[in-house]
Amino acid sequence: AQTVTQSQPEMSVQEAETVTLSCTYDTSESDYYLFWYKQPPSRQMILVIRQEAYKQQNATENRFSVNFQKAAKSFSLKISDSQLGDAAMYFCAYRRSPGSARQLTFGSGTQLTVLP
Amino acid sequence: DTEVTQTPKHLVMGMTNKKSLKCEQHMGHRAMYWYKQKAKKPPELMFVYSYEKLSINESVPSRFSPECPNSSLLNLHLHALQPEDSALYLCASSQAGQGFEKLFFGSGTQLSVL
Repeated sequence: AQTVTQSQPEMSVQEAETVTLSCTYDTSESDYYLFWYKQPPSRQMILVIRQEAYKQQNATENRFSVNFQKAAKSFSLKISDSQLGDAAMYFCAYRRSPGSARQLTFGSGTQLTVLP
Repeated sequence: DTEVTQTPKHLVMGMTNKKSLKCEQHMGHRAMYWYKQKAKKPPELMFVYSYEKLSINESVPSRFSPECPNSSLLNLHLHALQPEDSALYLCASSQAGQGFEKLFFGSGTQLSVL
């Protein structure tokens, strides 16, 4: 079974600074998808960024980027120029390749606080 | 319209009540999901509908009964719930693709069972 581990239950960052959230996963698959979702106090889960495992290039979305290390099974999220609106619970998630059960496996989450 | 709308936002019910949670999307998505989320925990998948047919049921107790009357609507019927069923219930939708598609979530229904 696939597992996703987020070893940092809580993190804090100063506004305008950079923070990195860690995520590791365990799988025997070679083709899969990885995601970061955020859940602010509004409770709505929002996709931040996603990565296809067969792509070596790290995904970026504006101030958000990932460091995808397939051999190490690591998928960290870097947030640059942190803003107050980035404060949220961040979940790393794994999804198997096409043709299989398509549910997401979530990590336990990292609560990010942004300090003014 | 890129929203998933869930009603009600809050629900308090007794263990003998029958209630329903509703979810609606108008993005043309053909996959819809119910998740259960306890405080400070990740969401747990309950059900997946693909093209209005139930495709995944994660061994959810029968006191939870999903229904997908059409491609835009998803209901979760609740009956004889237990206090441990108190949680945030999230609905999501996506294109019925191959796994890389983005899930759009609603803001959830906070359910309290007394």
